[in-house]
Amino acid sequence: DAGVTQSPTHLIKTRGQQVTLRCSPKSGHDTVSWYQQALGQGPQFIFQYYEEEERQRGNFPDRFSGHQFPNYSSELNVNALLLGDSALYLCASSSSQGPVPRAQYFGPGTRLLVL
Amino acid sequence: QKEVEQDPGPLSVPEGAIVSLNCTYSNSAFQYFMWYRQYSRKGPELLMYTYSSGNKEDGRFTAQVDKSSKYISLFIRDSQPSDSATYLCAISKAAGNKLTFGGGTRVLVKP
Repeated sequence: DAGVTQSPTHLIKTRGQQVTLRCSPKSGHDTVSWYQQALGQGPQFIFQYYEEEERQRGNFPDRFSGHQFPNYSSELNVNALLLGDSALYLCASSSSQGPVPRAQYFGPGTRLLVL
Repeated sequence: QKEVEQDPGPLSVPEGAIVSLNCTYSNSAFQYFMWYRQYSRKGPELLMYTYSSGNKEDGRFTAQVDKSSKYISLFIRDSQPSDSATYLCAISKAAGNKLTFGGGTRVLVKP
C-alpha cells in the first residue's frame, strides 16, 4: 500500500519565480492538506482540499494556491517567491469516511530553497 | 500567545530511560490530539492519537490527555537510540480538520 508521495523532493528557485509542488494521497484517502515547515519549527497549515474544493485555509497570502484533481491528487502553487518561502512543504492525506479522528498521514515533503 | 506550546529541548536521555514529552494548549475547543515523530529531513510519522481525557497505550508509547488542564503528554518506555528524533504534538478542533502543531521537542537517546 503506497503511502503519500510528493514530487519533486528538492527544488531551487529564485525570488519572483513561480513553483508547483505535487502530491498523491494514500490509497483510499480523498482529502489533502498542505503544510509549510520552516527549519526548526512545527508545520503550519496552508489549506485543505476535499471534493476538488478548498475547504479550509490557514493564514497564508493569496500567492499560495492549490488544486485537487478528480483522482484526489493535489498541487500547491506559489507565485512571486520570496526568500521566506524557503521551507519543507508537506502534504498530508486523510479519509473523510475514516474513523474519528480521521488522522492525517504525511508524505516525505518537498524541500524548497529560494535564492 | 501560541495556541500550542511545546518545549524545544533538546532532551537527552540514556538508553532504556523513560522519555517524557508534553504540550499545553490554550483553547478548550481543541478535541483531537496527536503525536508525530519526525526524523531529520523526513515527513512526520503518526505515532498515536486520542480524543478523550485519560491514557492510551500502544506498545512502548503512552499518550495522556488532561482536558481540564489543557495538557497532553507522551511517554516512551525503554527508549532506544532509534527513538532519537523530533516529536511533534498536533491538535485539531474537529475530526479531519486542520492540525495545529507545537514547535517540536528534539530527543536524543544515548547508547
